[in-house]
Amino acid sequence: SSELTQDPAVSVALGQTVRITCQGDSLRSYYASWYQQKPGQAPVLVIYGKSQRPSGIPDRFSGSSSGNTASLTITGAQAEDEADYYCNCRDRGVDQVFGGGTKLTVL
Amino acid sequence: QVQLQESGPGLVKPSQTLSLTCTVSGGSISSGSHYWSWVRQPAGKGLEWIGHIYTSGLTNYNPSLKSRVTISVDTSKNQFSLNVTSVTAADTAVYYCARDSRSLDYADSSGYYYYYYMDVWGKGTTVTVSS
Repeated sequence: SSELTQDPAVSVALGQTVRITCQGDSLRSYYASWYQQKPGQAPVLVIYGKSQRPSGIPDRFSGSSSGNTASLTITGAQAEDEADYYCNCRDRGVDQVFGGGTKLTVL
Repeated sequence: QVQLQESGPGLVKPSQTLSLTCTVSGGSISSGSHYWSWVRQPAGKGLEWIGHIYTSGLTNYNPSLKSRVTISVDTSKNQFSLNVTSVTAADTAVYYCARDSRSLDYADSSGYYYYYYMDVWGKGTTVTVSS
């Protein structure tokens, strides 16, 4: 099966902009979806499709894609955005695959 | 709104079968074009997709687990279930059920193209494999 690669850790100063990336061949064919996970909690969908946000997700979260790379951007990061972030996409049309996750620290 | 709740034993002995059920509330498991997924997460590690099922019974599994995993659905009970056989300590994890959704991106002469996402998750249940 395909793989999705994420940087293990990223940090951002409070109020600044951070981009979290995800690379994989499947991203050439399918959009990524992005999930935020805080300690002890279930993942929460934050971005899907071109750059769509579920109800309740702040508009500082956005997504983009180019070639084999998908990106999640947080514009004006807040303390509450500190979490693990996972990308996900379809693989071979029917399966799903997750990236290894990125731990975001807000300084 | 739709909610998911995992249930099942928290402790399973090595070589035995892990069995979990996900109950869907707030909506019918048969409504909409949804697959229903299982995802797991060992302590301190990332998310791993196990497999999913459509309400017709169509299933797809992670190739790395396919030989040991079965997912089934009971639409009359609004539930879907996971069985993992011959478990070892490596199967110790938090197990999540999730709704696997899709939305139409565009259509052309070649067909319909969708984007996919897991928009509803259960809270997760911890399963430990130990004697």
